[in-house]
Amino acid sequence: KQEVTQIPAALSVPEGENLVLNCSFTDSAIYNLQWFRQDPGKGLTSLLLIQSSQREQTSGRLNASLDKSSGRSTLYIAASQPGDSATYLCAVLGEYGNKLVFGAGTILRVKS
Amino acid sequence: GAGVSQSPRYKVAKRGQDVALRCDPISGHVSLFWYQQALGQGPEFLTYFQNEAQLDKSGLPSDRFFAERPEGSVSTLKIQRTQQEDSAVYLCASSLVPWTANYGYTFGSGTRLTVV
Repeated sequence: KQEVTQIPAALSVPEGENLVLNCSFTDSAIYNLQWFRQDPGKGLTSLLLIQSSQREQTSGRLNASLDKSSGRSTLYIAASQPGDSATYLCAVLGEYGNKLVFGAGTILRVKS
Repeated sequence: GAGVSQSPRYKVAKRGQDVALRCDPISGHVSLFWYQQALGQGPEFLTYFQNEAQLDKSGLPSDRFFAERPEGSVSTLKIQRTQQEDSAVYLCASSLVPWTANYGYTFGSGTRLTVV
């Protein structure tokens, strides 16, 4: 059974810092990995999707990497801003199914 | 519509009451998913529809949970005889194609169910 773990569970940083969120998964037979953002009381917003054949994806200040063989992904946020404060969720899509398996998330707070 | 719409946004139910949660996916989206998110946890898969066919219901926690999508668009998640452990946010997501690998999902804002 696929399990996804995210570290740290919570993170508080001053504005302007670069930061890294970590995600690990137990079964490397994945089709893709996605990073989502969730604001309080809101649904999930897709940030980056990395196919299993890719090593990284970039969007603006966000960069996500994937090491499928070791079961790890990182989300790098450059020059953090208070508006980045949210919960960040990592999810993997297995090779043989349509269901996403999520981690519990990292709660990020960027202080101004 | 422009996004995935869920209603109601909030629902308080007395233990033992039946509830129905609605999801309006993006028009034309083939795939529809229901997830359950407990407080402080990531979403967990409940069930998957491709058009009107329920292809996977392996995540439904008990036979009190029932989902339908009779015309391949709007979906309803029904919970009978609600219990306190059913309290969670119920998220709906849709995707344009059956295989979501390249297109990803669009999630709704969810329905927060509180059973008292």
